[in-house]
Amino acid sequence: DTGVSQNPRHKITKRGQNVTFRCDPISEHNRLYWYRQTLGQGPEFLTYFQNEAQLEKSRLLSDRFSAERPKGSFSTLEIQRTEQGDSAMYLCASSLGAGGPSSFTYEQYFGPGTRLTVT
Amino acid sequence: AQSVTQLGSHVSVSEGALVLLRCNYSSSVPPYLFWYVQYPNQGLQLLLKYTTGATLVKGINGFEAEFKKSETSFHLTKPSAHMSDAAEYFCAVSDSGAGGTSYGKLTFGQGTILTVHP
Repeated sequence: DTGVSQNPRHKITKRGQNVTFRCDPISEHNRLYWYRQTLGQGPEFLTYFQNEAQLEKSRLLSDRFSAERPKGSFSTLEIQRTEQGDSAMYLCASSLGAGGPSSFTYEQYFGPGTRLTVT
Repeated sequence: AQSVTQLGSHVSVSEGALVLLRCNYSSSVPPYLFWYVQYPNQGLQLLLKYTTGATLVKGINGFEAEFKKSETSFHLTKPSAHMSDAAEYFCAVSDSGAGGTSYGKLTFGQGTILTVHP
């Protein structure tokens, strides 16, 4: 068990550019979550995958954001036309859910995060 | 809807003193409650969790928390602070899934920065 990994760890980009982040969850975990954490705040939920299906998206996830989890393994989060307000730490977490989407879920394991700075 | 309030954005204690970090939650369904710790430039590490059963839960590094339904609280304590405890602590709540749709997403408080003085 190597834990949740995220790449890159840091990304500096200019306003208007597109960026893509990758998350590799713990291999047997079927649930994957993305959160965003701004300075001085707790993480805020962005989106959730059960295997390859994206089942919930926060209103924080504007149409410039898109997330995928092909084949239910790794996930990518893309931000198009970045804005300075997108600067934050983007955290990925995975967990093992028993049964269907509405069933009890075990604790989430977090990756180290990708820190995005938009200049 | 669920929410978490952490009282005190900064807490400072002396090494060896009691640590008390306060957390109150709001949830319309039976909650699952969590405490996570975050060291600078790192992800979150689970300290402990309450799901069902015993209301006093013990976690890693000597931390424990007590679920008090009547007070909607889940305060984190440690009898004797160590310098290595200095970090930011987050309380979080998730839907237990009873009676509704639950994806296990976490709602976090704003965090409490713990400083430990020698």
